[in-house]
Amino acid sequence: AQKITQTQPGMFVQEKEAVTLDCTYDTSDQSYGLFWYKQPSSGEMIFLIYQGSYDEQNATEGRYSLNFQKARKSANLVISASQLGDSAMYFCAMREGHWSGAGSYQLTFGKGTKLSVIP
Amino acid sequence: DTGVSQDPRHKITKRGQNVTFRCDPISEHNRLYWYRQTLGQGPEFLTYFQNEAQLEKSRLLSDRFSAERPKGSFSTLEIQRTEQGDSAMYLCASSTLTGGLNTEAFFGQGTRLTVV
Repeated sequence: AQKITQTQPGMFVQEKEAVTLDCTYDTSDQSYGLFWYKQPSSGEMIFLIYQGSYDEQNATEGRYSLNFQKARKSANLVISASQLGDSAMYFCAMREGHWSGAGSYQLTFGKGTKLSVIP
Repeated sequence: DTGVSQDPRHKITKRGQNVTFRCDPISEHNRLYWYRQTLGQGPEFLTYFQNEAQLEKSRLLSDRFSAERPKGSFSTLEIQRTEQGDSAMYLCASSTLTGGLNTEAFFGQGTRLTVV
């Protein structure tokens, strides 16, 4: 079974509008972390936001917020006030393990969502 | 330069040839990772180093692949007898030793390999 599922291969959003990118995950661990990365056409993966499984509040970083619904195992990324520079691939990823950091350090990525911002 | 650096950025090679990629992590980062990304997919984990010790290897890392980090600083990834299926972007990432699950990994810009 896929550990990270991103069901939207592509999304379009009007500049200055908000957009939600979906991510669902599958794990039997109690401790895990969820990440979102942005990958522009240059190829570099840029870290955007992190949510821990024990975090009670949804994470926010500037225009990025993470809508974390633990019971539904979803971690959707919300981008507010979209800008042309937001056009890129967006990847949801998960790290499983203990809160102390023990366990695997590998990230498991979804297949990504291509976001296109329309002027 | 404070980012993760990868060299070369692009490599075209003939099938059957050996190739080697280099990754220079952020200087204070003890953890180093290699990922492979094929077209239309997310990155897939290959291997992980903590200092010079290779602690995790994915089943994707066949016998033709070998990674080293001899002095706990830069790392190399070698692919022997390349096959067309090896064509992909090879991404290197690094992170600090301290910190738990929330330790973010910083990625380089990758090496794009094309096997012809």
